[in-house]
Amino acid sequence: NAGVTQTPKFQVLKTGQSMTLQCAQDMNHNSMYWYRQDPGMGLRLIYYSASEGTTDKGEVPNGYNVSRLNKREFSLRLESAAPSQTSVYFCASSPRRTNEKLFFGSGTQLSVL
Amino acid sequence: TQLLEQSPQFLSIQEGENLTVYCNSSSVFSSLQWYRQEPGEGPVLLVTVVTGGEVKKLKRLTFQFGDARKDSSLHITAAQPGDTGLYLCAGGYTGNQFYFGTGTSLTVIP
Repeated sequence: NAGVTQTPKFQVLKTGQSMTLQCAQDMNHNSMYWYRQDPGMGLRLIYYSASEGTTDKGEVPNGYNVSRLNKREFSLRLESAAPSQTSVYFCASSPRRTNEKLFFGSGTQLSVL
Repeated sequence: TQLLEQSPQFLSIQEGENLTVYCNSSSVFSSLQWYRQEPGEGPVLLVTVVTGGEVKKLKRLTFQFGDARKDSSLHITAAQPGDTGLYLCAGGYTGNQFYFGTGTSLTVIP
């Protein structure tokens, strides 16, 4: 029972490099999310997808793009990585539209040098 | 700007003590959730409160949603080392958006 799977678990980039974080869920959930977690800041919403075919900005979308490839997969792309994007990134999903619990992946630790 | 502020940010107590964690906002939420996170893992849901003034109990944990649905508290009675972790509140908006608080790191010393 995989739940939410994120890849990779760790990544080191140089400033200016690009990369895509992958996320897939096998629970047939409608909504998917990307968060970043920094010390003292809790989790901040980057982008979310309420349903397949839609994406919307969260609190901190600058420097990121997302793609809801299908109902299962939601990817996060950094086009030109910056040191300020060093963080732990979490993908999450939820079943329905309102007030549903979030199921999280185990995170991707990203360092930008 | 963080939509939800939690206090305290860090808390270290002895086993058996009681504690309360607060989650405050100027925004009104359709629901308020509490999560606990262990190191190296994603957060795991503890409870969801939906109605203003609602109180829910989960064993030694008591959760309350403010009457105006802008704030919440988590009270732990007789804390145990297994309660150690990062506690996060999350406010829900319509459209299934969730915004998290700044987190409270709890350490319970045996």
